[in-house]
Amino acid sequence: GNSVTQMEGPVTLSEEAFLTINCTYTATGYPSLFWYVQYPGEGLQLLLKATKADDKGSNKGFEATYRKETTSFHLEKGSVQVSDSAVYFCALSETGGSYIPTFGRGTSLIVHP
Amino acid sequence: GAGVSQTPSNKVTEKGKYVELRCDPISGHTALYWYRQSLGQGPEFLIYFQGTGAADDSGLPNDRFFAVRPEGSVSTLKIQRTERGDSAVYLCASSSSDPRGELFFGPGTRLTVL
Repeated sequence: GNSVTQMEGPVTLSEEAFLTINCTYTATGYPSLFWYVQYPGEGLQLLLKATKADDKGSNKGFEATYRKETTSFHLEKGSVQVSDSAVYFCALSETGGSYIPTFGRGTSLIVHP
Repeated sequence: GAGVSQTPSNKVTEKGKYVELRCDPISGHTALYWYRQSLGQGPEFLIYFQGTGAADDSGLPNDRFFAVRPEGSVSTLKIQRTERGDSAVYLCASSSSDPRGELFFGPGTRLTVL
């Protein structure tokens, strides 16, 4: 079956530091890949997505590249801000199947001023 | 409002009781999903509706859980004979007909079974 594995959190950084949150996946077909973010007290919202191999999703300074050869979709940001503190969820949706997204367990990011 | 809404935001009940959780999706969204999120975990799929019908209910943990969407809009998740292990945040999400599209999540209902 499909699965998503994320690095354990929390990730604690100082403002303006470089961020990487690792995500790897297992899928039987050719999934679309997503990063969702959950800010404190809010619901999950889509941050970025990529629908095919080598695509790069980007939004709000965050980027992730769909790497089929390593089955990865790592999230990166060059300079984090305090306002980026949130829980980040990697997810996949299998094309040609039910499309129901499968989520990772989430990685908490804490950014200190 | 334009977003997905869920009521109640918090529900405390006693073991063995029956509860209903409501989801109001974004108008026009044909797909509706229920997920369950336990502390420190990601959303766990429960059931998916396309229109009025449950297209996939493979995530429902047992027959105490049931969900309906009679008019293809509002959905209700029903839990019978609640157990302490049912305590979690229940998330609802909706999306347009494009199956690769974005899910729009509600704020969730926090269920506590004492």
